[in-house]
Amino acid sequence: SQTIHQWPATLVQPVGSPLSLECTVEGTSNPNLYWYRQAAGRGLQLLFYSVGIGQISSEVPQNLSASRPQDRQFILSSKKLLLSDSGFYLCAWRLAGGYNEQFFGPGTRLTVL
Amino acid sequence: QKEVEQNSGPLSVPEGAIASLNCTYSDRGSQSFFWYRQYSGKSPELIMFIYSNGDKEDGRFTAQLNKASQYVSLLIRDSQPSDSATYLCAVKEEGYSTLTFGKGTMLLVSP
Repeated sequence: SQTIHQWPATLVQPVGSPLSLECTVEGTSNPNLYWYRQAAGRGLQLLFYSVGIGQISSEVPQNLSASRPQDRQFILSSKKLLLSDSGFYLCAWRLAGGYNEQFFGPGTRLTVL
Repeated sequence: QKEVEQNSGPLSVPEGAIASLNCTYSDRGSQSFFWYRQYSGKSPELIMFIYSNGDKEDGRFTAQLNKASQYVSLLIRDSQPSDSATYLCAVKEEGYSTLTFGKGTMLLVSP
């Protein structure tokens, strides 16, 4: 069966510091991968998605970036965090060519102070 | 602009009642529809999905789709306090690899 991991689970960072969040999927190959952010009291905002290694599509222009160095690894980064970057960051995967269901990881709660 | 609309709630129902959660979407080309449950502080969990007009049942859950009215709903029979959560509706448009999510409806089931 497939499993998705995210770390860290929680993170408190000062404004202007860098960020690196990691997501890995086990038990499948060539998944589509997604990064979402959920700010307090708001809906899910799609940030990036990837259909393969090195292929990244950005949905929202901002100070975040994403990379996919391996088939089942997806990384979200920032060089300098803003207060507005606080939120619940969720990674999701789906089978390429599957029924389009996305499955979410446990998430990383980021607080920028 | 793709839009998925849900009433934010909270929708309050007594234990054992039927909870009805509704979702409308703007893109007539939408082809797949998903319901997720999200407990406070946790990540969304897929409950069920539907592609064709009509009803789809899975245990206590029934998804209903009406593409002509651009409307999808989730019925929860015999609601339990453990069903108290935010329910997210998501829609996939034809030709896209992504889902558009509504902001969710909070459901409160009282004992």
